Formats: sequence, structure tokens, C-alpha cells
Amino acid sequence: AQSVSQHNHHVILSEAASLELGCNYSYGGTVNLFWYVQYPGQHLQLLLKYFSGDPLVKGIKGFEAEFIKSKFSFNLRKPSVQWSDTAEYFCAVSPLDNTDKLIFGTGTRLQVFP
Amino acid sequence: DARVTQTPRHKVTEMGQEVTMRCQPILGHNTVFWYRQTMMQGLELLAYFRNRAPLDDSGMPKDRFSAEMPDATLATLKIQPSEPRDSAVYFCASGSGQRAPVSTDTQYFGPGTRLTVL
Repeated sequence: AQSVSQHNHHVILSEAASLELGCNYSYGGTVNLFWYVQYPGQHLQLLLKYFSGDPLVKGIKGFEAEFIKSKFSFNLRKPSVQWSDTAEYFCAVSPLDNTDKLIFGTGTRLQVFP
Repeated sequence: DARVTQTPRHKVTEMGQEVTMRCQPILGHNTVFWYRQTMMQGLELLAYFRNRAPLDDSGMPKDRFSAEMPDATLATLKIQPSEPRDSAVYFCASGSGQRAPVSTDTQYFGPGTRLTVL
């Protein structure tokens, strides 16, 4: 069965620290890849997405993610986090043979302290 | 700035009562999704529609949940009768449904309905 794993459930950082959140998926075919962010009390918002082309994708608010096909990974990075990045981050995949469906990981809660 | 809207934002009800949640997808979007978010299960897909036709509701308890799209601008999710274990945040999302030749579809989420069943 298709699945998405986010191994970091809770990450605590100080401002200006670098961030990397892991995401691995289990699927043999081609996928579209997404990172969504959910700020406290708010709905999910798209952070960035990968469909094809350059495997290094840049999103909003200084985030980027790199698709490594051989590792089935799509890790999220930010060189210097801010307090306002405190949120829950969800990785999701959409298999190309059923692009209607998004399969979400369990999420990573990020807390950034000033 | 087009957005998915959901009503109500919060709902507190007693066990056994009927609950109806509504969603207005982004105008022009032809796919609509219902998700449930809980601490224990994370985000679960309950059901989704394409061009108002239900395509998959395998994630939904059929005996008490029902999802419909009376028209292209309204999707509803009903729970009857509601139970305390239904307490969760219910999100609606919509997408353009673009597929060929390669899908670049993205789902856009509404603000959610926080349901508490006492």
C-alpha cells in the first residue's frame, strides 16, 4: 500500500537554526509531491510542490525541498527558521495513476523559540 | 483571492444529533475532498467527488456518514447520528482536477469545521 513517512514527529529549534524535515514515500511509480503547512488554528496551506523537472523546488517563505528519486525522499529545508515558522508540516504524495488522491504523512510539529 | 469556504467553523452538539457541514469549493474547481483530522489518526480522506459524482467514499463510515454535492458550488457532509468519536476537525479541499497529459493538480484546503460531540 502507498504510504508517506515523516520520521520527525516533533522538532524544537531556536531562531536562526537550520531546518530539515524528512519525508519518505512508498510507491513504485511516478508521483507528484507536496509539502503543506498548518499554522496554529489555521487550515492547511500549500508550501511547495514538485511535479517534474528540477528536483530542487523552492516554495514560499524561504522553504525548499529536494526530490531524491533513488531514496524515495522529499525532504523539506530552510536555512534559518523564524519564530513564525512554528507550525505543523505535512508531506503528501499523489500517484500519477490516481492523481485525485493525496496521501498524507502524519505530520511534523515544529516549534521555534526566540 | 479565491478560497474554499466552510461552515460552520465550530460545532458543539450532543451525541445522537445530526450534524451537517458545508463546503463551497473554489469556483471552477471540479474535484472536492472531505478530510478528517484527529490527533490519533492525522489526516484521513473520507470521500471525494469529481464533477459532482462521488468517486471514493471508502474512508467514510457508511452507516452514519453521507457526502453529497447538490450542485457545483456546494458540498455537504452529514453525520447522523453523531457520536463522541466523531469529534475532529473536518476539512474540505478542492482542486482543478487537471489530469492530461500530466497532472499538475493541487488541492486547496478550507479553514475546517471543528466538531465536538458531547
